[in-house]
Amino acid sequence: SAVISQKPSRDICQRGTSLTIQCQVDSQVTMMFWYRQQPGQSLTLIATANQGSEATYESGFVIDKFPISRPNLTFSTLTVSNMSPEDSSIYLCSVEANQETQYFGPGTRLLVL
Amino acid sequence: GENVEQHPSTLSVQEGDSAVIKCTYSDSASNYFPWYKQELGKRPQLIIDIRSNVGEKKDQRIAVTLNKTAKHFSLHITETQPEDSAVYFCAASVRGSARQLTFGSGTQLTVLP
Repeated sequence: SAVISQKPSRDICQRGTSLTIQCQVDSQVTMMFWYRQQPGQSLTLIATANQGSEATYESGFVIDKFPISRPNLTFSTLTVSNMSPEDSSIYLCSVEANQETQYFGPGTRLLVL
Repeated sequence: GENVEQHPSTLSVQEGDSAVIKCTYSDSASNYFPWYKQELGKRPQLIIDIRSNVGEKKDQRIAVTLNKTAKHFSLHITETQPEDSAVYFCAASVRGSARQLTFGSGTQLTVLP
């Protein structure tokens, strides 16, 4: 399986500010995804990070709020913009490795005050 | 889009007993069904998966069954141990196309010693 790291692991932010989360994988992967997991809830897909093109967003998520970059096959960033307390969540990246199996990064715990 | 329902939301069993978690999906095109285990504060970990050309798959104490006609699949854990206590998520996707995972709502399994 792929080794996936995320930075930061956690952060406390003030409302109205933005935070960029980084996801690094130890091998080249075609598919990378960003999920949100609100406290005590399931995982919801935010977007698919496409290398060399714009991300594909799911219903309810927009590029202005969650801009995503994918400069190469091992790295992606997710920015949470103009944050409000409702954005307090765990943000997880995942990658599709061998045989289309998805593996998750350790997550970024975000608290917005 | 795909909708995955998961039951029960909580499940308590005595150590050594079996546990069964059930999921139904709505999109008949879905053909890949992974199960993830998430311990408190940790990332989701893939524990087993099944593809639609297979009806059952086993890995030691864990098994997954799939009924394509009824569009439901189940996770079976035998001889449960306290370390099996965690939240379990089922998911569904269409392999070979967009491949995004749609997750169920999760089951909190508690194994009582």
